[in-house]
Amino acid sequence: QVQLVQSGAEVREPGASVKVSCKASGYGFTSNGISWVRQAPGQGVEWMGWISPYYGNTNYAQKFHGRVTMTTDISTSTVYMELRYLSFDDTALYYCARDVGLYSTRTSCYDFWGQGTQVTVSS
Amino acid sequence: DIQMTQSPSTLSAFVGDGVTITCRASQTIGSWLAWYQQKPGKAPKLLIYKASILENGVPSRFSGSGSGTEFTLTITSLQPEDFATYYCQQYNSDSGTFGQGTKLEIK
Repeated sequence: QVQLVQSGAEVREPGASVKVSCKASGYGFTSNGISWVRQAPGQGVEWMGWISPYYGNTNYAQKFHGRVTMTTDISTSTVYMELRYLSFDDTALYYCARDVGLYSTRTSCYDFWGQGTQVTVSS
Repeated sequence: DIQMTQSPSTLSAFVGDGVTITCRASQTIGSWLAWYQQKPGKAPKLLIYKASILENGVPSRFSGSGSGTEFTLTITSLQPEDFATYYCQQYNSDSGTFGQGTKLEIK
C-alpha cells in the first residue's frame, strides 16, 4: 500500500532553517511527483512547491522562491523540503503529497498524503 | 499565480440536505480542478479530480462540475460524516493553488 512517512516535529528559532523528509513506499518512487503543502494553525492549506523524482525538476510557489529547496534521494525513496530564514509565520503543519499524474512535468492533484510534520518557530 | 476563490466561506445545513460550493479561478484552467475534504487533525482527502471525476471509493452523493473559471461541488443528502472543510485546487499552471476553504457545519 502507498505510504508517505514524514519526519518528526521540529522547533526552530527565527532566522534558522528546517529540513523535513518524506519517505515513500508502496509504489514506483520515480513515477509520481511529490508536492509540499502547509497549513498554519486554524488556516487553510497552502501549496509550496513540487518536485519530480523522475525528471529532477522543481516548481516553487512565488511566495517561497529563494527560501525553499526540494530535493530527492532516489536510493532511499525520500523527498526533502528545506525552508530557510524562518519567521513566526512559518509555524505550520507541513504535508507532503503524491501527485496523481504519472511522469508529469508539472504538479497535479494529490491522492496520498503524509501524516504531516509540525514546524514551530519560536524564540 | 492563479488565484482561487471559494464561496461561501461557511455553510450550515441539516443532515439530509443538499449543498453546493463554488470555486472561481482568476484565469481559465480548463478542467484542471480538484476538490478535497479535510476533517480536523487529518490530511485533506481527494474527492474529485479533473473537475468531475469521482476518486475511487468516494460516495456518489458527491459530484463536481464546471470548466474554465467556474466550478461547483455538490453534495446531495448530507450525511453526518460530510461535515468538514472543503478545498478546491487548480493544477493547470506550474503551481497548485488552493482555495481558502469552505467549512460545512451541521445545523
